[in-house]
Amino acid sequence: EAGVAQSPRYKIIEKRQSVAFWCNPISGHATLYWYQQILGQGPKLLIQFQNNGVVDDSQLPKDRFSAERLKGVDSTLKIQPAKLEDSAVYLCASSSPAGTGVRRATQYFGPGTRLLVL
Amino acid sequence: GQNIDQPTEMTATEGAIVQINCTYQTSGFNGLFWYQQHAGEAPTFLSYNVLDGLEEKGRFSSFLSRSKGYSYLLLKELQMKDSASYLCAFVNDYKLSFGAGTTVTVRA
Repeated sequence: EAGVAQSPRYKIIEKRQSVAFWCNPISGHATLYWYQQILGQGPKLLIQFQNNGVVDDSQLPKDRFSAERLKGVDSTLKIQPAKLEDSAVYLCASSSPAGTGVRRATQYFGPGTRLLVL
Repeated sequence: GQNIDQPTEMTATEGAIVQINCTYQTSGFNGLFWYQQHAGEAPTFLSYNVLDGLEEKGRFSSFLSRSKGYSYLLLKELQMKDSASYLCAFVNDYKLSFGAGTTVTVRA
C-alpha cells in the first residue's frame, strides 16, 4: 500500500512570495490533515478535510493560508504572502473514518515539505 | 484548555531502558498516541492506548492512566536506530494534539 505522498520536499522562497504544497493521501482515506511543524515543536493542525469538505480550520491563518481538496482526494495548501515565521515543515496526514478505535484514529503522515522563508 | 507536556531531551546507552513520560490536560479524550519521528522524516505510528494499563509491543511498551492524565513510553534494549524524537499526542474527537516531542539520543 502506497503511503502519503507530498511534493515538493524542499522549498526556499523570499518573504512576501507565494508557495503551494501538494498532498496525495493513502488510497481510500477520506480524512486528510495539514499540519505545521516548527523546529523543536510538535505538529500543529492547520486544517482537516473529510472528503472535500472542511471539518476544522480553526487554526489556519486565513489571511494568508488557504487549502482545498476539490475532488476529495488530492489537496493543496497555499501560503500567500509568506512570512519569515512560516518557515517550518508542512506535514500532510490521512486517516480512514471506517472502523473504530485505533483503526479509525490512526493518522498516517507523509514525508513533509520543508519550507524556508528568507 | 488543552495542554500536553513531555521532556525535551533524554540520553541513554545502547542496550539500556528509557522511559519517556507524558502528561496531558484535556476536556475530551478518546485515546493517546505515541509516534516516532526520525530527523527529517515523517512521524510513524508506535502505539495507541485508550484504556488504562500497559500495552506491550516488542521492545516498546506504552502505559496510560486516564485519571492522572499520564502516559509513558518505555523503550527497552535500546538500539542506535532508536535515536529519534518521540511524540505524545492525545485524541479528542479524532483530532490529535501533539506534545513538542522528546529527543532520545542513544550512545554506544
